[in-house]
Amino acid sequence: RKEVEQDPGPFNVPEGATVAFNCTYSNSASQSFFWYRQDCRKEPKLLMSVYSSGNEDGRFTAQLNRASQYISLLIRDSKLSDSATYLCVVNIGSGTYKYIFGTGTRLKVLA
Amino acid sequence: ETGVTQTPRHLVMGMTNKKSLKCEQHLGHNAMYWYKQSAKKPLELMFVYSLEERVENNSVPSRFSPECPNSSHLFLHLHTLQPEDSALYLCASSQDFRGNEQFFGPGTRLTVL
Repeated sequence: RKEVEQDPGPFNVPEGATVAFNCTYSNSASQSFFWYRQDCRKEPKLLMSVYSSGNEDGRFTAQLNRASQYISLLIRDSKLSDSATYLCVVNIGSGTYKYIFGTGTRLKVLA
Repeated sequence: ETGVTQTPRHLVMGMTNKKSLKCEQHLGHNAMYWYKQSAKKPLELMFVYSLEERVENNSVPSRFSPECPNSSHLFLHLHTLQPEDSALYLCASSQDFRGNEQFFGPGTRLTVL
């Protein structure tokens, strides 16, 4: 089993749709979780950190489910500019430098 | 400049060349990283530095040689590379090793002929 798994997609959705991605992780000791956005041939950019209580930033909502070992990202009212690859990143514990990256989920928002 | 910068942005080199990639972070962070990103693969950690001290060399071939002269600068020296080393090389920094967010530079797209 991969340490961090994501559905590669692509998810093709119309503008205005709501779309959700999940990411599962295998190490139950994992402590920090992040979603990054990566545009084609560009660097990953931090979208949001994922806290135990969940967090929301505008149209984006992230949730953590420790019992089932997954994190989710919900995008409401999708925009064309949301088209990108979304990377799930897990840090396996405080005091370590090991950030485990998923292969990403590709989203295409269609006009 | 703010954030993390990298130069050059693009590099084409032959297998016998020697070149260096440069990274600079303006965030006051204590940890810096080199990653390799190949097509359709997750980011691969290559090297990690904390306050200029290398803490990880993730089984990287010796043709890649890192250097961290201070906590703001990181270099990756390249020599006698192979075509399969062609990839996007990303530098990142984080405040420390307490699970903080990482911030990435724009990357160097390397092509080895």
